[in-house]
This record gives sequence, structure tokens and C-alpha cells, in this order.
Amino acid sequence: GEDVEQSLFLSVREGDSSVINCTYTDSSSTYLYWYKQEPGAGLQLLTYIFSNMDMKQDQRLTVLLNKKDKHLSLRIADTQTGDSAIYFCAERPRSNDYKLSFGAGTTVTVRA
Amino acid sequence: DTEVTQTPKHLVMGMTNKKSLKCEQHMGHRAMYWYKQKAKKPPELMFVYSYEKLSINESVPSRFSPECPNSSLLNLHLHALQPEDSALYLCASSQDERMNTEAFFGQGTRLTVV
Repeated sequence: GEDVEQSLFLSVREGDSSVINCTYTDSSSTYLYWYKQEPGAGLQLLTYIFSNMDMKQDQRLTVLLNKKDKHLSLRIADTQTGDSAIYFCAERPRSNDYKLSFGAGTTVTVRA
Repeated sequence: DTEVTQTPKHLVMGMTNKKSLKCEQHMGHRAMYWYKQKAKKPPELMFVYSYEKLSINESVPSRFSPECPNSSLLNLHLHALQPEDSALYLCASSQDERMNTEAFFGQGTRLTVV
């Protein structure tokens, strides 16, 4: 994950919004993804955004992409206890487009 | 059906054992992947199969041997593993190897080598 960076931890109160940030280095990346991993489980694709988009909204999830700064964020509205998990940002670089390059993951803890 | 099914969920094996991990999908996806994930780390790609042929091997040691018997199944044969190979092994599939649509992951097999 050296090309994709995320903060490691986020603590948020139940009902508040969570914002998870990610920076990436490959400006040619075509798709950027957010995956969720609950303890002991596999990865669940939450959402993805194509590089020619600035924003994508899907129910409680909003993805913002700033291509100039190579910055991606995931906002979760009305955060619930079931949102506690590790969230991975991933890019698919054009140079290696079979391969997802993951960030280290952000552990989100939702407190009551 | 958007599910990738992996068996077994947990596996403990000795360093002299031979075992296999299995992965199955019925989404008609033509690309399947094996990833290895150590605790608190992101997944690392091991192998990519495209149209039932091995297209990518990310310099994985030969004690890991993948096999794709048909377009729905992907196996990972394990032999003479080391304790440091203990990890969560994740299978994934996508429409094709360019992953230009969603990539779906299984729940993983948690492997412990003793």
C-alpha cells in the first residue's frame, strides 16, 4: 500500500458523520474503490468512482474525488455501530490495471 | 447471486501437510484472484486467472500452487508451508481481469500453519 495512504484510526460517535480520507499517487488511475472489512471477514466492495467523476452518492455513502490533489474521501452519514470496521481505499493504476493497490486501511470505531 | 464462496473458513495444518483451499463463484466472471492478507495489513495479490488460464503470478513461492478446473472454481494447493504463511487467504472474482467493474471478494480462509 505504499502508493495509497490513509490515516490508521477514526473514532466517531453514533449518529455523527464519518469522513475517511485517502491519497494516492498514480494520476492515471482509472477507478478508485472503497472496501469494508469487518473483523474476521472478507472484503465488501462499498462503492467505486471512475476518475472522470468528482462525486458519487449512494444512500449514506458519499465519495469525493479531487484529482488535482489526488485525494479521495468517503463520508458515511448517520454512522451506526454496524459501520465499525476497517475501510480500505484502493486504486487501479492504468499501468497495472489487473491489480488493485490498497491503502493500509482505516479502523473506524463507532462509540455510543 | 453476487457471492464468492470459500471453503474451509478455518484451516490448521502442519508444515508437512498438503491441503487445498477452494473458491467458487456463479456470476459468470472470467477473472479470479488469490490474495493473502496478514493481520492488520491490506491484501496482497498472489495470482490472477483469466479465462481459466494463469495470467499473473506475483512471484509467489512454489509451495503455493493455484488451479482453475473450470470457470466457476479456483483452488489453491498448499504444500510444505511455513508458519509465516499463516494468514487470511482471500479469493476474488471480476467480470474480466481488467476489473473494470466490481471485484467481489469471498469471506476468506483463515490459515494457521503449525
